[in-house]
Amino acid sequence: EVQLVESGGGLVQPGGSLRLSCAASGLTVSSHYMSWVRQAPGKGLEWVSLIYSGGNTYYADSVKGRFTISRDNSKNTLYLQMNSLRAEDTAVYYCTRALYYFDYWGQGTLVTVSS
Amino acid sequence: DIQMTQSPSSVSASVGDRVTITCRASQGISSGLAWYQQKPGKVPKLLIYAASSLQSGVPSRFSGSGSGTDFTLTISSLQPEDFGNYYCQQANSFPWTFGQGTKVEIK
Repeated sequence: EVQLVESGGGLVQPGGSLRLSCAASGLTVSSHYMSWVRQAPGKGLEWVSLIYSGGNTYYADSVKGRFTISRDNSKNTLYLQMNSLRAEDTAVYYCTRALYYFDYWGQGTLVTVSS
Repeated sequence: DIQMTQSPSSVSASVGDRVTITCRASQGISSGLAWYQQKPGKVPKLLIYAASSLQSGVPSRFSGSGSGTDFTLTISSLQPEDFGNYYCQQANSFPWTFGQGTKVEIK
């Protein structure tokens, strides 16, 4: 059974940083395309970032230059380093497996950017 | 960026009704479209991928069709548990984008 468990969310001030983690079981993170998708409170879904199994990375324009996706193969864990956070980054962040569509989702972790 | 536009934004229907949601892409995306269902407070669930392929475990009353720019999600006979928000998503080119969502309510 595939499980994706996010952690690392919380309250952070504008301009601050946060690192999200996604611990995977039942699948090998390095063998799959993995992605982060977010959802602002009461809003729709927004794709944030993707890492290919080969290591190439892609970002939404809204986070490019501020967020970095990475993985630790030894820990089978996906990360999202978020810098220069803004109020509009407030959202639940989901870790997903991405086969060009998102079939496995974690439960999400809430990031709140506020002073 | 490819814009995904869903219609209607909301629909209220009775149990047993046929419900159709459309999704239009601002440029052709071949069959690179997926549909998701999200119930309040829950994680999104993949229903359809590659425009018309039913995800394992999803009831057969859900179906998808279309290619290019125009796509449809159909619920052939609406059930009480089908309430929620439905989203389309294109993965034809980066950045991957979602539609704004369609809220399905049961009368």
